[in-house]
Amino acid sequence: DVKVTQSSRYLVKRTGEKVFLECVQDMDHENMFWYRQDPGLGLRLIYFSYDVKMKEKGDIPEGYSVSREKKERFSLILESASTNQTSMYLCASSLGSTVSNIQYFGAGTRLSVL
Amino acid sequence: AQTVTQSQPEMSVQEAETVTLSCTYDTSENNYYLFWYKQPPSRQMILVIRQEAYKQQNATENRFSVNFQKAAKSFSLKISDSQLGDTAMYFCAVPRGSNYKLTFGKGTLLTVNP
Repeated sequence: DVKVTQSSRYLVKRTGEKVFLECVQDMDHENMFWYRQDPGLGLRLIYFSYDVKMKEKGDIPEGYSVSREKKERFSLILESASTNQTSMYLCASSLGSTVSNIQYFGAGTRLSVL
Repeated sequence: AQTVTQSQPEMSVQEAETVTLSCTYDTSENNYYLFWYKQPPSRQMILVIRQEAYKQQNATENRFSVNFQKAAKSFSLKISDSQLGDTAMYFCAVPRGSNYKLTFGKGTLLTVNP
């Protein structure tokens, strides 16, 4: 079974802090994604990566950056956390670029910025 | 741009009854899959069922089936013999762009009542 592990389930940070959210997958997937989930807005794509060191902006990249130095690990960075970044963050991975590729999700990190 | 519309923000059903969740979409892709994902309370998102757009036969997975109307761009999920464990947020998703990415609907919160 594919396993996508997010390092924290809950995180509380202060405004202005630099925040790292970590995600690791164990199935050698090429693609990895970071989403933000807010009530009434569904899932919105922040960034995704299709290979090591390769990244592409999603729909809401402002205020975020990412890092993918190894294939299995994809990090989301909030350079200076703000209260409007309080949200649930979901990481996902998928295999290659086939039409049928399924995204596998981590359990999520609920981030509160105070 | 791809859009995915789930017109029912919330639904409820009695245990053992049947319920249908609706989804309409717009895509410029020619060959694609459609997905329904389920997110139980405080648990990770998992794939429920997927449908290949070129197949006329509707996909079925145990108690879950889809009603796919390609011309109408409609992709509804039917849950038969509803169980308490079906209580979850359900998201419809459609690929976009290079097949790496998915566009998600805003979700339908389904509650199964005893």
